[in-house]
Amino acid sequence: SYVLTQPPSVSVAPGKAASIPCGGNNIGTKTVHWYQQKPGQAPVLVIYADSGRPSGIPERFSGSNSGNTATLTISRVEAGDEADYYCQVWDSSSDHYVFGTGTKVTVL
Amino acid sequence: QVQLVESGGGVVQPGGSLRLSCSASGFTFNNYGMHWVRQAPGKGLEWVAFIRNDASNTYYGDSVKGRFTISRDNSKNTLFLQMNSLKPEDTAVYHCAKLGGYGDFEYWGRGTLVTVSS
Repeated sequence: SYVLTQPPSVSVAPGKAASIPCGGNNIGTKTVHWYQQKPGQAPVLVIYADSGRPSGIPERFSGSNSGNTATLTISRVEAGDEADYYCQVWDSSSDHYVFGTGTKVTVL
Repeated sequence: QVQLVESGGGVVQPGGSLRLSCSASGFTFNNYGMHWVRQAPGKGLEWVAFIRNDASNTYYGDSVKGRFTISRDNSKNTLFLQMNSLKPEDTAVYHCAKLGGYGDFEYWGRGTLVTVSS
């Protein structure tokens, strides 16, 4: 089955940029979505279709996807961005939806 | 605004059954596919099941296939998950989610906790 790999944690200082990679075999040929989940809350879609931003999501959130890695970038990080982040794709070969392993973003 | 509210969680013994419900509002329910996603305590997200808008097709994750059944009642804007032969490893918060236009999980409910324990 298709596997998406993320680093367990990323630390970033306020005002700096955080990049969260999501690795998968030829992930650049798939459509990637990203979710933010704060403790005790439901996940929230922050990036759809590689780089689309839903209404209400700050422009500081951006996404890219190429080769074997998709990346979520959070510019000018704020304390409120501290959360777990998950990438997700649909694997057409298995008709399964797949989530990445998740990355905890800590704002120093 | 879109609202998804899960119910039906609780404590059940191994081998037991439970039926979860998800009440939807704020959108035309019968136009959208729906998912169940679970999250074990302290763990990541795991996709459980998907049903098309007209219930014509259903899909399941490998860990629940043959034990769980997803269904829907479009007349009542409600999604269901019938869980049989429950195992301790099924312990998790179960979220329902609305399928977005790009294969994303566009909106999520807050979830309902299922605990499988003797």
